[in-house]
Amino acid sequence: SAVISQKPSRDICQRGTSLTIQCQVDSQVTMMFWYRQQPGQSLTLIATANQGSEATYESGFVIDKFPISRPNLTFSTLTVSNMSPEDSSIYLCSVSRDRATEAFFGQGTRLTVV
Amino acid sequence: DAKTTQPPSMDCAEGRAANLPCNHSTISGNEYVYWYRQIHSQGPQYIIHGLKNNETNEMASLIITEDRKSSTLILPHATLRDTAVYYCIVRPRRGTSNTGKLIFGQGTTLQVKP
Repeated sequence: SAVISQKPSRDICQRGTSLTIQCQVDSQVTMMFWYRQQPGQSLTLIATANQGSEATYESGFVIDKFPISRPNLTFSTLTVSNMSPEDSSIYLCSVSRDRATEAFFGQGTRLTVV
Repeated sequence: DAKTTQPPSMDCAEGRAANLPCNHSTISGNEYVYWYRQIHSQGPQYIIHGLKNNETNEMASLIITEDRKSSTLILPHATLRDTAVYYCIVRPRRGTSNTGKLIFGQGTTLQVKP
């Protein structure tokens, strides 16, 4: 299994500001994903973070709102831009060695927008 | 959309076996069945996966019906720490449809009671 570190673990932010969440893995992985979990809900996939190219976003998510970087095989960031209270959620990073192996999750970043 | 159907909640007595059903009647021959769980305030944890044969590991057993349209996750001796939301997910194993993504449904909330 992979050890995944997400930072920050939680934050309280003012509306209109942006927050960048970091995901660091202890080994090289092919696949990295970002999920959102709204209060009381299941996980929703935001995007696949692609190394060296633009992320692949799911329906309903756009790059201007959730810019993602992935400079190498062990690190990715997700930015939540121009935040509103509706962005209050847990944001989770997930990784897998390749497309055929199981995915592992970080502990998440609990974001509250006030 | 999620391709699985699970009961929203189940109870189990501590020390007894917990049997969690999942219906995946539209599963294709190219898709694995994965199980994850999410303990409150933590990231999802991988449990087990299988294609068509029954699987067992240190955490659980996975029983897949012969027609592969349903499966059951078995926790042989449930403890209070097994209280969590359990997610059953189908995922392609190869080919162009294998993006490595996990699409989560609503899962089953298992409450283990003393």
